[in-house]
Amino acid sequence: DIQMTQSPSSLSASVGDRVTITCRASQSITTYLNWYQQKPGKAPKLLMYAASSLQSGVPSRFSGSGSGTDFTLTISSLQPEDFATYYCQQSYSMSYTFGQGTKMEIK
Amino acid sequence: QVQLLESGGGVVQPGGSLRLSCAASGFPFSNYGMHWVRQAPGKGLEWVAFMRYDGSNEYYADSVKGRFTISRDNSKNTLHLQMNSLRAEDTAMYYCAKDRKVAGKPSLDSWGQGTLVTVSS
Repeated sequence: DIQMTQSPSSLSASVGDRVTITCRASQSITTYLNWYQQKPGKAPKLLMYAASSLQSGVPSRFSGSGSGTDFTLTISSLQPEDFATYYCQQSYSMSYTFGQGTKMEIK
Repeated sequence: QVQLLESGGGVVQPGGSLRLSCAASGFPFSNYGMHWVRQAPGKGLEWVAFMRYDGSNEYYADSVKGRFTISRDNSKNTLHLQMNSLRAEDTAMYYCAKDRKVAGKPSLDSWGQGTLVTVSS
């Protein structure tokens, strides 16, 4: 199975900060990489698909990049509603593995 | 709009069985593959199973293979997950999610609110 590793596991940041989360795959997944946001007590929400495509309705301060094994999710200017947990997920092979998550907290 | 409503969760003893359901509306259910994803309390997301739009193929995580069975009834717009030989480590919130392919690349673009399964004696 393809393993997905996110870093950092947690992140403390302030409103207005630019933040980047990294996701690494154990083998090449080209751009079969998705990002999800999950708030406490809620279902996950798709943010980015195919590594760099913004899901409809998601603010443009979110962006994604990468291919092969290394990927990033960037939030250009953190807003109060962005404090949540973020997960990457590979859809290259049919185990659709998730990363362990990055919890973003208010500094 | 897309709605996915899970049901069937509850408390079950180790070794027991449970059948989850996911009622779909707001989209042509028979055109889309569907997933089950779970999340143990305080933990991350774990993909569990997938079934193609027409029920022709199914896929499972190693952790549930041989114990769980995914199925669907396209005439009733419903997805199911039959869970047998349940273990304590199966305790989790179970979400159904809709698959979507863009340029051949899949993602899970809509999720239900989940149903909680607790395996405990």
